[in-house]
Amino acid sequence: NAGVMQNPRHLVRRRGQEARLRCSPVKGHSHVYWYRQLPEEGLKFMVYLQKENIIDESGMPKERFSAEFPKEGPSILRIQQVVRGDSAAYFCASSKSGTGSTGELFFGEGSRLTVL
Amino acid sequence: QQQVKQSPQSLIVQKGGISIINCAYENTAFDYFPWYQQFPGKGPALLIAIRPDVSEKKEGRFTISFNKSAKQFSLHIMDSQPGDSATYFCAAEGGATNKLIFGTGTLLAVQP
Repeated sequence: NAGVMQNPRHLVRRRGQEARLRCSPVKGHSHVYWYRQLPEEGLKFMVYLQKENIIDESGMPKERFSAEFPKEGPSILRIQQVVRGDSAAYFCASSKSGTGSTGELFFGEGSRLTVL
Repeated sequence: QQQVKQSPQSLIVQKGGISIINCAYENTAFDYFPWYQQFPGKGPALLIAIRPDVSEKKEGRFTISFNKSAKQFSLHIMDSQPGDSATYFCAAEGGATNKLIFGTGTLLAVQP
């Protein structure tokens, strides 16, 4: 059984370039969450998506960041015009029917973005 | 209101000792409190979770103690082993909050 698959695992970009991070949830899971982890910090919520819908994007920076979870294919976290402060580990997690009372959250191994 | 405060930031315990990590929250609507374990280079994985209708939950060497009135919960690792060395995150969810809010993590090192 494949868990949450994230790629690329490591990504290096120069300032001003675009970064695209992909996440394939556990088979049968329709809820996807993106978290960002900075060194010596916790996991910061970014966005919560269900198929074709953004449910909660309260943790997403207003500019340069976007996320989607299309009907077919993986969820994509897109960062335009990257800056050094975007360097972090980005984790995707999926759940069958939402977290907490309805389902466990399964995490991928993360995509580590380095901005030069 | 949405924060979960975790302490200590790091912890060193001798093999066989008890590791204790504490978390506190403000939002009384939270009703689900999991702990996640993360090894270097890996994603977090659910370790154990509790709901506020019980004050304690034990799974093997891992125990969550929950104090609803104080809005605090803690993870106890009994007979700590070097293989337990990892980063531990507490989290909370509930009410209008539709996602897990994580603490800042505790780096545990168990010395042989």
